[in-house]
Amino acid sequence: GDSVTQTEGLVTVTEGLPVKLNCTYQTTYLTIAFFWYVQYLNEAPQVLLKSSTDNKRTEHQGFHATLHKSSSSFHLQKSSAQLSDSALYYCALRPATGGNNKLTFGQGTVLSVIP
Amino acid sequence: GPKVLQIPSHQIIDMGQMVTLNCDPVSNHLYFYWYKQILGQQMEFLVNFYNGKVMEKSKLFKDQFSVERPDGSYFTLKIQPTALEDSAVYFCASSSGQGREQYFGPGTRLTVL
Repeated sequence: GDSVTQTEGLVTVTEGLPVKLNCTYQTTYLTIAFFWYVQYLNEAPQVLLKSSTDNKRTEHQGFHATLHKSSSSFHLQKSSAQLSDSALYYCALRPATGGNNKLTFGQGTVLSVIP
Repeated sequence: GPKVLQIPSHQIIDMGQMVTLNCDPVSNHLYFYWYKQILGQQMEFLVNFYNGKVMEKSKLFKDQFSVERPDGSYFTLKIQPTALEDSAVYFCASSSGQGREQYFGPGTRLTVL
């Protein structure tokens, strides 16, 4: 079946410095939608970014990610981390066709931004 | 943005008892989902529900699990009887259509003693 791997459980970065959260995947589907969800403390996970186009950069709220099918990756990056970015981040995928609505999640990465 | 509510936020129950987790989905959404997250592990798909029927379920959706949405009220997940391994955070989600964005609730933390 599908799988999503987030190698870091915790990433700590100083405010103002760049940050990168890794996400790689395995899937047998040809057409896939990818998501980054962010979950702030005591809140619901919400979509931060989404993409299904190979090699196209997607941006939102200062974060960006590019789907690279050649390396099976969808890493999340930001050039300057803010204290308010501290949260739990999930990478997820879903087949984009065939009526399959099941999301497959990674284990999540806690991002801690320190002053 | 659209909000999904989950009631209660925490539930503690003795093994063998029945529990019902409630989800108030986004008002015009038609597709509903439950996901399970055991402590320290990833969120995993349980079930997808549409038009009064289970559309898809995973192997985690045991025979003791059932879902329903009577008369457009709460979308519920019932576990009867509960087992120790059912302890987890259960997330509800809803979407307006197939392949549309899934909006999540904040989760219900279920502890089975």
